[in-house]
Amino acid sequence: QKEVEQNSGPLSVPEGAIASLNCTYSDRGSQSFFWYRQYSGKSPELIMFIYSNGDKEDGRFTAQLNKASQYVSLLIRDSQPSDSATYLCAVNPSSASKIIFGSGTRLSIRP
Amino acid sequence: KAGVTQTPRYLIKTRGQQVTLSCSPISGHRSVSWYQQTPGQGLQFLFEYFSETQRNKGNFPGRFSGRQFSNSRSEMNVSTLELGDSALYLCASRAVGNTEAFFGQGTRLTVV
Repeated sequence: QKEVEQNSGPLSVPEGAIASLNCTYSDRGSQSFFWYRQYSGKSPELIMFIYSNGDKEDGRFTAQLNKASQYVSLLIRDSQPSDSATYLCAVNPSSASKIIFGSGTRLSIRP
Repeated sequence: KAGVTQTPRYLIKTRGQQVTLSCSPISGHRSVSWYQQTPGQGLQFLFEYFSETQRNKGNFPGRFSGRQFSNSRSEMNVSTLELGDSALYLCASRAVGNTEAFFGQGTRLTVV
């Protein structure tokens, strides 16, 4: 089982709709969770982090964490073409300070 | 505040050669991690350094090594390059007591 799993996509969402990206992780003791956005040919950019169960909102982005289900998600409201990118879920496992990344979900916002 | 700086941005090397990549973290950040990114494998963790000590290591052969200096700058070395080492190498820095990682622009290594 991979430590961090994401659906590779591509996920196609119409402009203005809500994009929902999902991620599961294997280490039940994980404490920190991150979402990065990566445009083609660029390095990953941190867009959200969440440490506690529940929702965390920042502008059009909402991160949701459910530690009991070992599940973290990212919602993007009012999707824009500029949101088209690969979204990487990352987890800080309990056993180490390193951050482990999922393989990413490719999101495409169609006009 | 300056971001994470990686040099060089692009590199072309021949099989069998060795290469050294450099990373300067955000000022005040003491943790530096290195990742390899390829289309097939995604972002793979190489190692993490904190206060000049390797704190974590991924599943890479011994040809991949690194070090960190007292000013927190880090270098990564790959010896006896193979074609499969062609990848984007990313460095990320983190502050003490703060786990968010911030990435540099990466070094694109091509082995021919």
